[in-house]
Amino acid sequence: SQQGEEDPQALSIQEGENATMNCSYKTSINNLQWYRQNSGRGLVHLILIRSNEREKHSGRLRVTLDTSKKSSSLLITASRAADTASYFCATTVDGTASKLTFGTGTRLQVTL
Amino acid sequence: EPEVTQTPSHQVTQMGQEVILRCVPISNHLYFYWYRQILGQKVEFLVSFYNNEISEKSEIFDDQFSVERPDGSNFTLKIRSTKLEDSAMYFCARRQGGGYGYTFGSGTRLTVV
Repeated sequence: SQQGEEDPQALSIQEGENATMNCSYKTSINNLQWYRQNSGRGLVHLILIRSNEREKHSGRLRVTLDTSKKSSSLLITASRAADTASYFCATTVDGTASKLTFGTGTRLQVTL
Repeated sequence: EPEVTQTPSHQVTQMGQEVILRCVPISNHLYFYWYRQILGQKVEFLVSFYNNEISEKSEIFDDQFSVERPDGSNFTLKIRSTKLEDSAMYFCARRQGGGYGYTFGSGTRLTVV
């Protein structure tokens, strides 16, 4: 079964607009992380939110976590063309050597 | 902090051949991981390596796969007899702790022909 499902699968917005991506998961988690991947490149860690946290900010990023609904959202404000990438949520579960279980990803396209 | 370096960036190999993918994480980290991403699909966990031993492995990580940390700094993933379905991006990662997530290498694109 898939631990992380993200929606939308693809999102196209204009520069300056906000982008919201959602992630749902199935099991209890230790923390949830968001990563960005530019096409054909490695994964870059964006932000981590622990299971006892509800909201976290980092620059233009805002992450929320609702453990009762097993869901998280990533908001990118005032998007830029350089934000064009795929965004993945990933969870860690207690007692599993902290491996990451990734979601299916959202492909974000920011146009000028 | 310095990045995780992976070599080669791209490798083409014939089916049945052995390949070794290399990663230079940073020697003072204890937790290392290998993940793979088949083109267009999500990133999948392969194996975690703690204190020079495998701590967990996925169903994908069968007898064809092995990991080593041969000299205390390099971290290798070996695929003994490659199959077409092993074609993917392979990522090495290390865990930083303290709420900073994981640092991933830039990946090795393995193409099995």
